Amino acid sequence: QKEVEQDPGPLSVPEGAIVSLNCTYSNSAFQYFMWYRQYSRKGPELLMYTYSSGNKEDGRFTAQVDKSSKYISLFIRDSQPSDSATYLCAMSGLYNTNAGKSTFGDGTTLTVKP
Amino acid sequence: DSGVTQTPKHLITATGQRVTLRCSPRSGDLSVYWYQQSLDQGLQFLIQYYNGEERAKGNILERFSAQQFPDLHSELNLSSLELGDSALYFCASSVAGVGANVLTFGAGSRLTVL
Repeated sequence: QKEVEQDPGPLSVPEGAIVSLNCTYSNSAFQYFMWYRQYSRKGPELLMYTYSSGNKEDGRFTAQVDKSSKYISLFIRDSQPSDSATYLCAMSGLYNTNAGKSTFGDGTTLTVKP
Repeated sequence: DSGVTQTPKHLITATGQRVTLRCSPRSGDLSVYWYQQSLDQGLQFLIQYYNGEERAKGNILERFSAQQFPDLHSELNLSSLELGDSALYFCASSVAGVGANVLTFGAGSRLTVL
């Protein structure tokens, strides 16, 4: 079983919809939770990250972490066609625990239709 | 431009051959990571170097090797290539240390093995 499981998608929504992207994980050592966006096989770029449980908001994006359930989500409000991409969740422990490496989900491909 | 430079961008070679992929990390980043992304798989962690030393190893095949040089650039060597090695190879760098392991990715090297 993979350490990080991500809803596979693909996901297709109309412009303006609220999008929910989700990941579950099994490793309790994960402390940092990241979301990356990858456009058509280009290099992933960081969207946002959170530490431990809670919510973090950045514009139209909200990251949510529930460590008790080992479940994280990324919400996109008022989705735009430019949000069409593959979204990757990633997790890492404290540097000394996991040598700093991030474990990625397989990604969810999102298409926002005008 | 993310600041992480990868060369070559595209590479086509034959089975049994050997190739070298090169990565220059973002200025100030001491840690370099290599990831493989195939069509049917997500980002697979291969190996991490920190300031010239190997720090973590993932699912890297014995036919693959890497190193990080004193100027911090890194090379990934792939030998005895097989069809299944065709993939996007990403290099990422980070400052490393305690805290969120935020990675900055390069644009990737697309390897096609015929």
